[in-house]
Amino acid sequence: AQSVTQPDIHITVSEGASLELRCNYSYGATPYLFWYVQSPGQGLQLLLKYFSGDTLVQGIKGFEAEFKRSQSSFNLRKPSVHWSDAAEYFCAVGASQTGGFKTIFGAGTRLFVKA
Amino acid sequence: SQTIHQWPATLVQPVGSPLSLECTVEGTSNPNLYWYRQAAGRGLQLLFYSVGIGQISSEVPQNLSASRPQDRQFILSSKKLLLSDSGFYLCAWSDSGSVQTQYFGPGTRLLVL
Repeated sequence: AQSVTQPDIHITVSEGASLELRCNYSYGATPYLFWYVQSPGQGLQLLLKYFSGDTLVQGIKGFEAEFKRSQSSFNLRKPSVHWSDAAEYFCAVGASQTGGFKTIFGAGTRLFVKA
Repeated sequence: SQTIHQWPATLVQPVGSPLSLECTVEGTSNPNLYWYRQAAGRGLQLLFYSVGIGQISSEVPQNLSASRPQDRQFILSSKKLLLSDSGFYLCAWSDSGSVQTQYFGPGTRLLVL
C-alpha cells in the first residue's frame, strides 16, 4: 500500500536561509509525487509534481524537489526563504490502482520563518 | 482555465442542525471531485470522492453524506451536526485521466457549537 511520511512536524528557518523539507514514500512501482502549500485559512496550492523524466523538478515560487528512487524520497528545497513562505507544506504520492488513481497525503510540515 | 469555488467560506452552526456545503468547478468537464476534512493541526482526511453524476464513494463512516447532482457540482451534507464535525472542509477536483493531479478550492471553516 502507498504511504507518505513527512518526518518533521514543524521547521523554523531564518529569512534568507536555505530550506529542505523531507518526504519519504512507500510504493512498489514508480510513484507520481506532488508538493502542495497551504497558507493559513486557505486551500492547498500545487507547488510542483513529478511524473517521469528529469528527477529534479522546478516549481512555482522558487521551489524545487528532487526524486531519489534509491532513498524513496522527494524532498522540497528552496535556496533562500522569504517570510511569505511561512505555511504548511504537504507531500503526496499518487498511483494508478485497480479501481482508479489514488492520492495519499502526508501529515504536513509547518514552516516558520524568523526575521 | 479551471476554477473551483466553495461556499460558504465560514459557517457557525449549533449541534443538531443540518449542513450543506457546496463546491462547483468551472472550465472542465467530467472532473473527479473530492471532499476532504482537515481538523486543527492535522493532515487531510478524504471523506468522499465522485467520478461522475450520482456516483459517490465514501472513504470513512461518519455523520456526513455527499451528493453530485450535476457534473461540476459537489455537495457535502449532514442531517444533524456533531461537535466533532468542526473543521476545515476542502473540495478538490482532478481530471479523469490515468494520472490525476488534484486542485483545491479555498475551503470552508465549520464551527459546530
